[in-house]
Amino acid sequence: QVQLVESGGGLVKPGGSLRLSCSASGFSFIDYFMSWVRQAPGKGLEWVSYISSSGDSIQYADSVKGRFTISRDNYRNSLFLHMNSLKVEDTALYYCARGLDLRRQPIDSWGQGTLVTVSS
Amino acid sequence: QSALTQPASVSGSPGQSITISCTGTSSDIGAYEYVSWYQQHPGKVPKLLIYDVTYRPSGVSHRFSASKSGNTASLTISGLQGEDEADYYCSSYTTLSTVVFGGGTKLTVL
Repeated sequence: QVQLVESGGGLVKPGGSLRLSCSASGFSFIDYFMSWVRQAPGKGLEWVSYISSSGDSIQYADSVKGRFTISRDNYRNSLFLHMNSLKVEDTALYYCARGLDLRRQPIDSWGQGTLVTVSS
Repeated sequence: QSALTQPASVSGSPGQSITISCTGTSSDIGAYEYVSWYQQHPGKVPKLLIYDVTYRPSGVSHRFSASKSGNTASLTISGLQGEDEADYYCSSYTTLSTVVFGGGTKLTVL
């Protein structure tokens, strides 16, 4: 079955950097759009970014544009999110997610999330 | 990229029907037939309920249905059950090729 396992979260100071990883298994990773979605504690879902199967189509939410970079390694079935210039408002549970039927949206599979806390 | 607008909370009694609205703009909900709905129970990951405005993924109960008119989408849950108590989120693809979620609606089954 589809399995998405995130890692790399933790506590970081404002202005710091972090790299999240997502290891995918149970499906043909190379064929699918992948996304990052975040959820601040007690708040709603916020789409962060998606990347196409080949990596040639990428989009970001305005709130992270210029600070976050999404990438993937299809040989290692892995998705990444490089986060720079982190702000307190970036504190959230970050989900790795797969697009339905090779599409960029909607999302049909989610990981359990990795928690990023930005605090001094 | 403003979030879609949903009511903060709705409630209903077992067996009743409820509807959750999701209001956007001509740049998101009104632009495409790409509205989705997700259910999230406390401490759990979201689950896809509806995609492309009206389609249910395999395994989703027929008690969940949805529609769209102009810039507003709606999710209807019929025959409310206790297990339906959860947070519900709408989502839409946008003309900027991005994705936007609603703020979420907490459903309470009385």
